[in-house]
Amino acid sequence: DIQMTQSPASLSASLGETVSIECLASEGISNDLAWYQQKSGKSPQLLIYAASRLQDGVPSRFSGSGSGTRYSLKISGMQPEDEADYFCQQSYKYPPTFGSGTKLEIK
Amino acid sequence: EVQLVESGGVLVQPGRSMKLSCAASGFTFSSFPMAWVRQAPTKGLEWVATISTSGGSTYYRDSVKGRFTISRDNAKSTLYLQMDSLRSEDTATYYCTRILLPHVMDAWGQGASVTVSS
Repeated sequence: DIQMTQSPASLSASLGETVSIECLASEGISNDLAWYQQKSGKSPQLLIYAASRLQDGVPSRFSGSGSGTRYSLKISGMQPEDEADYFCQQSYKYPPTFGSGTKLEIK
Repeated sequence: EVQLVESGGVLVQPGRSMKLSCAASGFTFSSFPMAWVRQAPTKGLEWVATISTSGGSTYYRDSVKGRFTISRDNAKSTLYLQMDSLRSEDTATYYCTRILLPHVMDAWGQGASVTVSS
């Protein structure tokens, strides 16, 4: 199985701050990488797919980048509603696997 | 509006069976592969099973192969997960998800809580 190593496990950011979350795949995944946001007590929601494509309705302050084995999610200007858990997921090969998650809090 | 509504989650004893259902609306159910994803309490996300549009192809994670069965009824726009020989490690919230190829989950239900305990 492809292992997805996500970092950091947690971070806190001030309102307006730019934050980045990283995901490292154990092998190349050809940009088949998605990011999900899960707010407390809610189900996950798709933010980004194909490494950098923004899902409809997702604010433009969210962006994704990367290639090969290294990918990142950037939030340009932290907002109160961005406090949540974030997960990466590879869709390159079965079984689809997720990163362990990043808890993002407001400082 | 795409809606996925799970039902069937309860408390069940180890070794027993349970069936989850997911009623879909707001889209052409028969046009999308579907999957179940679970999340143990305070843990991360774990893919469980996927079914093709027709139901002719199914895929499972190793730990549930031979115990869980994913199925669908396109006429009723409903997805199912039959879970047999349940174990304590199957305790989780189970989410019904819609799949965009290659395997991106673009819609999620609210989740069904399954607790396996004596």
